[in-house]
Amino acid sequence: DVKVTQSSRYLVKRTGEKVFLECVQDMDHENMFWYRQDPGLGLRLIYFSYDVKMKEKGDIPEGYSVSREKKERFSLILESASTNQTSMYLCASRVGGPDTQYFGPGTRLTVL
Amino acid sequence: GENVEQHPSTLSVQEGDSAVIKCTYSDSASNYFPWYKQELGKRPQLIIDIRSNVGEKKDQRIAVTLNKTAKHFSLHITETQPEDSAVYFCAALSGGSYIPTFGRGTSLIVHP
Repeated sequence: DVKVTQSSRYLVKRTGEKVFLECVQDMDHENMFWYRQDPGLGLRLIYFSYDVKMKEKGDIPEGYSVSREKKERFSLILESASTNQTSMYLCASRVGGPDTQYFGPGTRLTVL
Repeated sequence: GENVEQHPSTLSVQEGDSAVIKCTYSDSASNYFPWYKQELGKRPQLIIDIRSNVGEKKDQRIAVTLNKTAKHFSLHITETQPEDSAVYFCAALSGGSYIPTFGRGTSLIVHP
């Protein structure tokens, strides 16, 4: 059974803070994703990694960066958190190519 | 890039009725179309998918149809039950890195 975990379920940060969100998968998946989920806007892709140290920008990369130093771990970094980054953040992984994505439980981030 | 439109945004039915959710896509090269179900407070999970070489796929009460010419695909749920209440997301993936483009979601409410 595929397991995707995220470092926190809930996080409260202050404007200007540097924020790290971590995602770990245990199925040796090549591809990993970070999404942002807001009501009425669906799932919007922030960044995508198709292999270790490889990344591609998604639809809304501004204000975010990512790191993938090991295959199982994909980190999302908010360099300087702002209130408009208050949202639910979902990580996902998949084997590679057109196949099922497995999602983590999500991190609800509030920036005050 | 790909654009996926999903309708309706909200769907309310009585238990036992059928429910249909429709999605249209813009990129004729898209060839994989998954559907995800997200229950309240939980992570999205794949419920069914279809590839472009198939016109219809069924799994018990759930079916998906694909019309490549018209570039639309639909999720059909028969004999709805209260536990079908959730947000449903469609997605389309095309060649290259197979980055998914999601629809904005449909909130399905099944009244007992």
